[in-house]
Amino acid sequence: AQSVTQPDIHITVSEGASLELRCNYSYGATPYLFWYVQSPGQGLQLLLKYFSGDTLVQGIKGFEAEFKRSQSSFNLRKPSVHWSDAAEYFCAVGGGDDKIIFGKGTRLHILP
Amino acid sequence: DAGVTQSPTHLIKTRGQQVTLRCSPKSGHDTVSWYQQALGQGPQFIFQYYEEEERQRGNFPDRFSGHQFPNYSSELNVNALLLGDSALYLCATSRVGGPAFFGQGTRLTVV
Repeated sequence: AQSVTQPDIHITVSEGASLELRCNYSYGATPYLFWYVQSPGQGLQLLLKYFSGDTLVQGIKGFEAEFKRSQSSFNLRKPSVHWSDAAEYFCAVGGGDDKIIFGKGTRLHILP
Repeated sequence: DAGVTQSPTHLIKTRGQQVTLRCSPKSGHDTVSWYQQALGQGPQFIFQYYEEEERQRGNFPDRFSGHQFPNYSSELNVNALLLGDSALYLCATSRVGGPAFFGQGTRLTVV
């Protein structure tokens, strides 16, 4: 079955500290992988996506993610977080024009 | 270039009523997908429209139906509303093989 697991419901980091959000997926074919961010009451904004090629993907707002096929993981990282990064982050998997399957999200809290 | 626009932004309905939500795609996009996001959950796929036909459907009852118009805009209809239908409804549009862009959503509250 296709699924996405985000094991951390909440993560708290200090401003300026590094960040890693974990994501594991189960998908029958070669996956397209995504990270979205959602501020309260807002829609979803695409941070980055992996379709093929280089397994280290650069996104907007200084985020990057690494696709590791052997671990079925697509973890999101940022070297130094800013207070404005506080939001809900969703990892998602899909296949081309296929539906997108989302994880349950990780809520990121930033300490001043 | 306008992005994906959804209307209305907020809506309150009574149990048993029917509701129609609307989505206008980003310029150049021909595929529209609808998602339901319950509070504290990730979005769940409802269905996808392409060339005015439903191409895929998630695990939602027939009370959820949709339509795509020749200009690629789309409507989501929900009949016989239940309290559990209260959620943020997100529209995502894309063109073939491209990433999906999401609208800001419609917050539906059923009372």
